[in-house]
Amino acid sequence: NAGVTQTPKFRVLKTGQSMTLLCAQDMNHEYMYWYRQDPGMGLRLIHYSVGEGTTAKGEVPDGYNVSRLKKQNFLLGLESAAPSQTSVYFCASFLGAGELFFGEGSRLTVL
Amino acid sequence: DAKTTQPNSMESNEEEPVHLPCNHSTISGTDYIHWYRQLPSQGPEYVIHGLTSNVNNRMASLAIAEDRKSSTLILHRATLRDAAVYYCILRDPRDNFNKFYFGSGTKLNVKP
Repeated sequence: NAGVTQTPKFRVLKTGQSMTLLCAQDMNHEYMYWYRQDPGMGLRLIHYSVGEGTTAKGEVPDGYNVSRLKKQNFLLGLESAAPSQTSVYFCASFLGAGELFFGEGSRLTVL
Repeated sequence: DAKTTQPNSMESNEEEPVHLPCNHSTISGTDYIHWYRQLPSQGPEYVIHGLTSNVNNRMASLAIAEDRKSSTLILHRATLRDAAVYYCILRDPRDNFNKFYFGSGTKLNVKP
């Protein structure tokens, strides 16, 4: 039982490049979230999903897009990466009660 | 949106109890109080949550004030492994989107 798995764990991009972060959960959770965490800061909600085929904006959605085509996967895309998007990205899933489960994080550097 | 206030940092000695406070003066009657912690270089992990009554689990205890405007996470015997950032979060089950907003949290330093 892997829980929440994020890929890749590390990535370096040049300004303007695009990439996709994948979050996969094997707990059949309806709710999934993408957060970013800048050095010394708390987590900020980027986008979230309340079920397959649905997505919604969080606190800091600009520059990101998401998709939830399958219940177990939540993808976070950067169409044109900027240095301000250098951060650690965390994915989480939630059954609807109880606790959030987080992945180990994906460290992204944009040069 | 975090709606909670926590001290930026606290320090404790190993094997002593730690009381981490959280103020949530605008809490609604249906908000659950959640605590998560984030160890260095890891994702946050669940610690405990409660609604009105004090709660205990293997990791910690949660003491909720009678008016629910504040709560305290209690680590009964701090260890070096408890050094982390602790986040206090409110979750309203009436919110169908179940958004969890993390503030800056309290950085706990445990001295040997």
